[in-house]
Amino acid sequence: QKEVEQNSGPLSVPEGAIASLNCTYSDRGSQSFFWYRQYSGKSPELIMSIYSNGDKEDGRFTAQLNKASQYVSLLIRDSQPSDSATYLCAAHYGGATNKLIFGTGTLLAVQP
Amino acid sequence: DGGITQSPKYLFRKEGQNVTLSCEQNLNHDAMYWYRQDPGQGLRLIYYSQIVNDFQKGDIAEGYSVSREKKESFPLTVTSAQKNPTAFYLCASSAIEGFSDEQYFGPGTRLTVT
Repeated sequence: QKEVEQNSGPLSVPEGAIASLNCTYSDRGSQSFFWYRQYSGKSPELIMSIYSNGDKEDGRFTAQLNKASQYVSLLIRDSQPSDSATYLCAAHYGGATNKLIFGTGTLLAVQP
Repeated sequence: DGGITQSPKYLFRKEGQNVTLSCEQNLNHDAMYWYRQDPGQGLRLIYYSQIVNDFQKGDIAEGYSVSREKKESFPLTVTSAQKNPTAFYLCASSAIEGFSDEQYFGPGTRLTVT
C-alpha cells in the first residue's frame, strides 16, 4: 500500500514565525512531490513542486526533499494569518501513470 | 482566462437518483482526474484519463462512471449504486510531459444526497 503520511495538526504558530510542515512517503519509486494549500471549503491550490534532493525556494515558501529518508517538508517564513489553511502533501505514484497519492493534510493556524 | 470549471457548485439529490457532475478545462491538458474528499480525509482517486476515449479506475471507482469524448471535458456520473455519495468532488487536470505531472484543481462540487 503506497502511502503519504502527515501529522493532522493543528500546528499553531505565532504571526511572523516559521511554520514547518512535514510529510513522509512509502514509495521509493516516487520522483515528484507537491504541496497544496486548501482553505476551508475550497479546492486545493498548488503552491510548490519539488523533484530533486535539497531545497527549493519560492518567496516565503521553501520545499525540502530527502529521498534517502523519504521525507518532504515545507517551510513557511514570516507566517501570516492568511496562511492558515490545510496543507496537503502529494507524491507521484511512480511508473507510467500520472497518479498522485495525497496525505490527509496538516492544519496550520497562524495566530495574530 | 485558462482554468478548470466545475458545475454546479452545490448539488442536492434524492437517494436512488443518478447525477452527473461537469468538469471542463481549457488548459490543453491531456490528463484529467476525479477525486472525492470527505471531512478529515485525504483526496481519493475515483477515475482518471490520460487520453481521449480512454480512462482507468482509481482507488474507489465503484458506483461511479465517466466518459472522455473530448479533451476538454471529463464528466463524472454518481450512480445510485454508490452507497455513500455525499462528499466534495474535485476535478483536476495535468499535462503529460516528463515529470510535469503537476495537477491543477477546479473549484469543486459539493454533493449532498438525502
